[in-house]
Amino acid sequence: ETGVTQTPRHLVMGMTNKKSLKCEQHLGHNAMYWYKQSAKKPLELMFVYSLEERVENNSVPSRFSPECPNSSHLFLHLHTLQPEDSALYLCASSPGAAGELFFGEGSRLTVL
Amino acid sequence: KQEVTQIPAALSVPEGENLVLNCSFTDSAIYNLQWFRQDPGKGLTSLLLIQSSQREQTSGRLNASLDKSSGRSTLYIAASQPGDSATYLCALEGNKLVFGAGTILRVKS
Repeated sequence: ETGVTQTPRHLVMGMTNKKSLKCEQHLGHNAMYWYKQSAKKPLELMFVYSLEERVENNSVPSRFSPECPNSSHLFLHLHTLQPEDSALYLCASSPGAAGELFFGEGSRLTVL
Repeated sequence: KQEVTQIPAALSVPEGENLVLNCSFTDSAIYNLQWFRQDPGKGLTSLLLIQSSQREQTSGRLNASLDKSSGRSTLYIAASQPGDSATYLCALEGNKLVFGAGTILRVKS
């Protein structure tokens, strides 16, 4: 395993479901990020974790709940989502809070 | 508030051409600037990282420059190939990391 791995790659869920996205980095980095990428919009930063502590929450609705149990793993728990939450969710890591970013392949989420 | 603009939004060129992608920004107080490539439906691949104190970085056929005084960065791609077709994004690290909307590049064989 190398780099940043995201699972699942594709997810379809109803508005009442609860699901989680998982991210794992094998780079020994201290910072991890969740980004949202919607069609025809720039990447939007959602959350930043540095040394397992959340250092930024970019005004994200509470139906998105991040969890960082250790410096290698990051989760995004999803519940009661809306159709407009359908997007590509990208996880990234960096050596420190500011530095070169390395991205996973993304999880394509569709909310019906 | 940092604003990042990438021009052009889309570009189509024949194979072999040299091309320049532009990234402009409004706040020069940055730590670094990073160029990424994104293939359809995939994650981002880091191409080049320019630290604030640097003027340019090179990797193979790619050269990125940074001019903080004018708020501009350019990504130069030499001898373009069909495999270079992708969306290219720039991102600036200041108080926050801010991405541009990207340039969609198509290189025709």
